[in-house]
Amino acid sequence: GDSVTQMEGPVTLSEEAFLTINCTYTATGYPSLFWYVQYPGEGLQLLLKATKADDKGSNKGFEATYRKETTSFHLEKGSVQVSDSAVYFCALGSSASKIIFGSGTRLSIRP
Amino acid sequence: SAVISQKPSRDICQRGTSLTIQCQVDSQVTMMFWYRQQPGQSLTLIATANQGSEATYESGFVIDKFPISRPNLTFSTLTVSNMSPEDSSIYLCSVGNNEQFFGPGTRLTVL
Repeated sequence: GDSVTQMEGPVTLSEEAFLTINCTYTATGYPSLFWYVQYPGEGLQLLLKATKADDKGSNKGFEATYRKETTSFHLEKGSVQVSDSAVYFCALGSSASKIIFGSGTRLSIRP
Repeated sequence: SAVISQKPSRDICQRGTSLTIQCQVDSQVTMMFWYRQQPGQSLTLIATANQGSEATYESGFVIDKFPISRPNLTFSTLTVSNMSPEDSSIYLCSVGNNEQFFGPGTRLTVL
């Protein structure tokens, strides 16, 4: 069945460092891919998405490119801020509008 | 995007009791989803709730334990029945087709 595998955390970086959180998926067909973010004490928010191969989703300085050849959707940001500290979930859109989530990666940014 | 509210936002309950969680959306939607997020874990889909039909449950979840109502296109309830400490989780509802939007969650603690 469809599944998502993402980089284990926690990840700790210094402010202004470059961020990559790896995500790979297994799916039949061509699912939509998502990154969701959960800030401390808050609900789950959609960060960005891509709906077809080679699409790049971007938001708040974060980017991820839908790579069909490597079945990947890695999240990147060039310069992280303390306010980016959160848990990040990679996800894919499965059949019947279901969303399948990865295990989540906790990111902590040091000032 | 839809605006989704949940009640209660949190509750502490005794084992053996039941709790009903409400989810209200500000627009009519066809599909609503209920997820569970156990402490430190990712989100797991419990069931899909369509208006006018029985909910569709995922493997490992049964109607007797998690009865769901969907009386109209803007509202749904999830009941956690005969609770045990293992049911302590955040319960989230979501709506959407290709991408989903999540409510703020209900944090349940069972003593």
